[in-house]
Amino acid sequence: ILNVEQSPQSLHVQEGDSTNFTCSFPSSNFYALHWYRWETAKSPEALFVMTLNGDEKKKGRISATLNTKEGYSYLYIKGSQPEDSATYLCAHSGSARQLTFGSGTQLTVLP
Amino acid sequence: DTEVTQTPKHLVMGMTNKKSLKCEQHMGHRAMYWYKQKAKKPPELMFVYSYEKLSINESVPSRFSPECPNSSLLNLHLHALQPEDSALYLCASSQDSTAWNEQFFGPGTRLTVL
Repeated sequence: ILNVEQSPQSLHVQEGDSTNFTCSFPSSNFYALHWYRWETAKSPEALFVMTLNGDEKKKGRISATLNTKEGYSYLYIKGSQPEDSATYLCAHSGSARQLTFGSGTQLTVLP
Repeated sequence: DTEVTQTPKHLVMGMTNKKSLKCEQHMGHRAMYWYKQKAKKPPELMFVYSYEKLSINESVPSRFSPECPNSSLLNLHLHALQPEDSALYLCASSQDSTAWNEQFFGPGTRLTVL
């Protein structure tokens, strides 16, 4: 992996479903992995910053895991709600001072 | 106040115009960033200011000229842009420029170059 890749590109789920997305990144020179949530017409909002292999973070119904050795992170949403509809961006830092973003996963939660 | 503000929200300019984008934060952050996002693409870093000094310039054409007048303000001066420069321009700030600090984003300026 040379760039930051996210899958799937888009996802439709029913309200109440649990879902997860993947972020793949170069496994060399790892400094940090960020997850952001970006609702239409709003500012991207930080969800998690992860720095250690094996890190797991949780905020309400949203959680994330990190595997720096194999170069991936998963974002999980439990019991999706319509207000979870947004684009979820991950960003990798392979140097101390800058982020490279993936193209995002666009989530739509249907009521 | 955890808000980053950007003005204007929308900007339409001709290729011979000079305009400026503005970004402001009052969180005491010492790093500020400009990103460019084209449709369906990820945000791409343009510039990083750390303690009011330009620390990263990602080979951005000189028709984009950043300025950091003080620790709360970041400007992006635009001159002689091309239609392919049409994009969403996002400003962000963080406590400092190290990678483990979350970045706080503004809502962006939607720029159209005619």
